[in-house]
Formats: sequence, structure tokens, C-alpha cells
Amino acid sequence: QQQVKQSPQSLIVQKGGISIINCAYENTAFDYFPWYQQFPGKGPALLIAIRPDVSEKKEGRFTISFNKSAKQFSLHIMDSQPGDSATYFCAAKAPGGYQKVTFGTGTKLQVIP
Amino acid sequence: DTEVTQTPKHLVMGMTNKKSLKCEQHMGHRAMYWYKQKAKKPPELMFVYSYEKLSINESVPSRFSPECPNSSLLNLHLHALQPEDSALYLCASSQELTLGNTIYFGEGSWLTVV
Repeated sequence: QQQVKQSPQSLIVQKGGISIINCAYENTAFDYFPWYQQFPGKGPALLIAIRPDVSEKKEGRFTISFNKSAKQFSLHIMDSQPGDSATYFCAAKAPGGYQKVTFGTGTKLQVIP
Repeated sequence: DTEVTQTPKHLVMGMTNKKSLKCEQHMGHRAMYWYKQKAKKPPELMFVYSYEKLSINESVPSRFSPECPNSSLLNLHLHALQPEDSALYLCASSQELTLGNTIYFGEGSWLTVV
């Protein structure tokens, strides 16, 4: 019930292409869905986040698409660049009291020139 | 740049050593966290402090001992660790335990137990 399933495990994209990472969840109580970007040797950094009352959120080249009925959300990276090469974690959190952040398993993205 | 600062960045310790990891944040956050991250895995929650009091201990072995001296500082004291404890230890903070969803991570301390 608390799991967040993330796919693919790894992804290779050509420079300029679109990177797409998908996540699915079961717990309908989740109401906050952040994406974290982690470069090798660094801690995760918040990239973008969405709440389920909107279907899409865009920040620069990064877009979250959210499908509440399907309980799925995805990260799209447009015009992918080699500097985007990192591991991406989706996550989810429920409201009320203390609710632990549930992380997906991570996607290692490599953008090749 | 992260506003959660961790020291040291790298630590190598023997199984009989006692060492400490330190974390500092100046965002006025009242919730602070320790996470452990193994290679190619997501962060795993270890401890949560809220208003300088330990709120959550995720069944972490007693060889890990957290301490929150004040609202800006968080320590993790290490004693008699095992090689399998080698990992990236991440400190994080958020506005409050029950308010504000965004967790801000530090860059982590790489721990190697030999």
C-alpha cells in the first residue's frame, strides 16, 4: 500500500531527446509527489513536485504529468542534456500528522552526446 | 547549493572506533532527519527529530546514536559499526514534522567501515 513503483531502472537518451520516467502508487491518501535528482556523490535535490489537483506542472525543461485515476505520474525531461545524467527518484507523501516520504526505486539516466 | 551542511564528507573508521557525523541547517526548520543510502537504492529513513526531540526511530541498531543539540544542529554518533554499515549518510530538514512537505537533503557523508 505504501509502495511507489518506478520504471525504468535505467535509461539512455540521446542529447536533445525526451527522457520519460514513470511512477505508480497504490495509496490514494498520497497528496504530494516530489521528484528528486541525485548526482553521483551528492545528496538528492528536490527537482519539481506536484499535487494531485493538477494534471501537469512544468518548470523549464522538466514536466510532471499526473493521472489521478490511474494513480500514475511521470517526469518528462525535454531537450535532455548530458548534464541531466543523474539518478532520479520519484516520491510520495500523505497528509496529516507525520507521514514518511515513500521513495521509488530510482532511475539512472544517462544522456549521451 | 544545499542549505543543509554535512561534515565530514568522507569518513573511514574501524569497527572499534567512535566517530560522529555532523549536520547543520540555517533555514529555521524544526524537523531534522537522518537517512542512510546504499548504492543504487533510495534513501532509507533512520531517525526524525522534531523541535529537538527524537520523534521517530526506524528500529535503528543502537550502534547509531543521534543527538540534536539545538534547532540547527544534528549529530549522528557512531560506535562499533559493521562493514555493512558502509553507506552514504544523509541529513535532511523540513519546515516542521507535520507541516511543509519538502525535505531538503545535505550532500551526505560517505562512511566506510573497515
